[in-house]
Amino acid sequence: GAGVSQSPSNKVTEKGKDVELRCDPISGHTALYWYRQSLGQGLEFLIYFQGNSAPDKSGLPSDRFSAERTGGSVSTLTIQRTQQEDSAVYLCASSLGPSRNTEAFFGQGTRLTVV
Amino acid sequence: QQQVKQSPQSLIVQKGGIPIINCAYENTAFDYFPWYQQFPGKGPALLIAIRPDVSEKKEGRFTISFNKSAKQFSLHIMDSQPGDSATYFCAASILGGNKLVFGAGTILRVKS
Repeated sequence: GAGVSQSPSNKVTEKGKDVELRCDPISGHTALYWYRQSLGQGLEFLIYFQGNSAPDKSGLPSDRFSAERTGGSVSTLTIQRTQQEDSAVYLCASSLGPSRNTEAFFGQGTRLTVV
Repeated sequence: QQQVKQSPQSLIVQKGGIPIINCAYENTAFDYFPWYQQFPGKGPALLIAIRPDVSEKKEGRFTISFNKSAKQFSLHIMDSQPGDSATYFCAASILGGNKLVFGAGTILRVKS
C-alpha cells in the first residue's frame, strides 16, 4: 500500500501475556518511529530507527519493551508480561530520514487493551 | 532541551473564530517545526510546517507564526469550521536525521 500499515488494528490481551505489534513503513523510508498515545494524551516517543544506525531506545519505558527492524523495513514492537498501564494506542511512523524533508507519515495505530 | 511545550491542552471556539495554539522549545538546534492534525481513530497527519528562516507561513486557513528569538511558534486557524475539530500537535526536529519531538497536543472543538 501507499501508507504506513500497522497490524493488528486492535489487540486485547490478558495481563502477563506477551504481545507483538507490527509496522510496515512506506517503501524507501529509512526512518521509523514508534510512539505511544494514551487516551486523550499526547504522543510519547518510544524508539527511533534510522537506516543501519543503532536505534534510539531512550523512550522505552521499561525492559519489558523491545523493538526490532528487520532488513531496514518492517518493524515489530514487543511488550513482554503486559500490564494494564500498557493499554494505549501504539503508533508507528516513517519518514525519508536525514534529508531535507523529515515529514513523518503515521499509521492508524494499534489499540492495545490489557485486561 | 528536547522538550516542546504546547498550550492550551484544550480549546473551544465558535464557528468562524480563530483558535491559536502555542508551542515553545529550548533546543536552538531545532530547525524544522511541523504541525500535525489528528482525527479520532486516525494517526496524526502533517498539516503545515515551517523553517526558522521565515516568520510566517500560510496554507489556506492555517498559519504558522514563528518567533526565533523567543523560541516560540504558534498555529492560527482562520474562519474555523466544525470539521477542524481535532487534536493538534506541534513538533520540532533537527534536519539531518534527528527524531521528531512532539508537544502534548491540543484538543480543539469548533462549535457550530
